[in-house]
Amino acid sequence: QSALTQPASVSGSPGQSITISCTGTSSDVGGHNYVSWYQQYPGKAPKVMIYEVNSRPSGISNRFSGSKSGNTASLTISGLQAEDEADYYCSSFASSSTLGVFGTGTRVTVL
Amino acid sequence: EVQLVESGGVMVQSGGSLRLSCTASGFTFDDYTMHWVRQTPGKGLEWVSLINWDGSTAYFADSVKGRFTISRDNSKNSLYLQMNNLRSEDTALYYCAKDGVRHGFLTHFDNWGQGTLVTVSS
Repeated sequence: QSALTQPASVSGSPGQSITISCTGTSSDVGGHNYVSWYQQYPGKAPKVMIYEVNSRPSGISNRFSGSKSGNTASLTISGLQAEDEADYYCSSFASSSTLGVFGTGTRVTVL
Repeated sequence: EVQLVESGGVMVQSGGSLRLSCTASGFTFDDYTMHWVRQTPGKGLEWVSLINWDGSTAYFADSVKGRFTISRDNSKNSLYLQMNNLRSEDTALYYCAKDGVRHGFLTHFDNWGQGTLVTVSS
């Protein structure tokens, strides 16, 4: 089971919107709605930002939203803020011998 | 407040064994599937293993299958990962994570520990 493909880096200015893609296959992203997104600051544990494609845990800003089309999921951060600068990972349930798969990770930089 | 505290990470020689532990609090432990997820220094996340709420079902990533076993003791709110025949590529920070849905299987990881570092030297 290969890692899901994410862009290595995405950047934007404060106030702008950015979108991070997460491309898999019909065995993972395309075949299930258990797609989630995690934010990770250096030296810290990941934190779930989106689960089940487009649901936000309580306490997560509505500036974060998720979607999916075919084998590609997306995380959009609107109204970009300095505190959004972090690494972001997608994850999906997979119908394969390895049940869980993460994306390659994306470094978000706020210019 | 949910808390997950991992322990047991040390430096070990290639071919050696190690047992990681995770102690949970702040939620009904035996209602949730638990996971181990690892992160290679400076690199990405890799799902390693899960065990369901009553310990009857476990799954492993292909990269560790046959070498790692997972178990839990619900009376002690504890999760374990027995790692055998360790390789240099197993060097990573190992996180314990809670599944996000009661009696869920692999839905999402809604709480994470701070991780315990395993270093395998050759």
